[in-house]
Amino acid sequence: IAGITQAPTSQILAAGRRMTLRCTQDMRHNAMYWYRQDLGLGLRLIHYSNTAGTTGKGEVPDGYSVSRANTDDFPLTLASAVPSQTSVYFCASSDSAGGHEQFFGPGTRLTVL
Amino acid sequence: GQNIDQPTEMTATEGAIVQINCTYQTSGFNGLFWYQQHAGEAPTFLSYNVLDGLEEKGRFSSFLSRSKGYSYLLLKELQMKDSASYLCAVTDSNYQLIWGAGTKLIIKP
Repeated sequence: IAGITQAPTSQILAAGRRMTLRCTQDMRHNAMYWYRQDLGLGLRLIHYSNTAGTTGKGEVPDGYSVSRANTDDFPLTLASAVPSQTSVYFCASSDSAGGHEQFFGPGTRLTVL
Repeated sequence: GQNIDQPTEMTATEGAIVQINCTYQTSGFNGLFWYQQHAGEAPTFLSYNVLDGLEEKGRFSSFLSRSKGYSYLLLKELQMKDSASYLCAVTDSNYQLIWGAGTKLIIKP
């Protein structure tokens, strides 16, 4: 692994289904983030984690949950997907929270029907 | 509320210079970032300004005026590969990044 990876690359999901988007980094970064990107809108923060074992809510957390059991992994779960969650999801990490460059994964394109 | 404004789209000619502006109103300020994002790809870091003034990095420069809530990204000697979206983001008082919607830059030969 080099940098930050996400899986799957893309997914089509039926409404009401549960889905976990995976994110793994090998840079030993303390902080990790989940964003969604929709056409015409800026990246919007869903959840973040400043260090392993802690998480926080971003701008648009409803319908999503995260966990940070260790430094490397930061999965995002949609408990019951809805069509408005159709988006491109980016995971990012930084050395620490605040004022540091964020490195982005390649993204997951999710379509909820 | 928090707001970051940048033009939706700009067009420039290969070899020319283009300036992409960004204005912001945020709860606190702890730095401003510029990222580049090619279509279908992830954003990648270009520059970071926390103090007023100009930061130069090769063909790219970024300027910040904190008193005016204003920044610009200057791209010189434009190349076709510079066709991309350019994202402005501000670190607020909670040290979270607030993102603009991005400026799509189209380079014509």
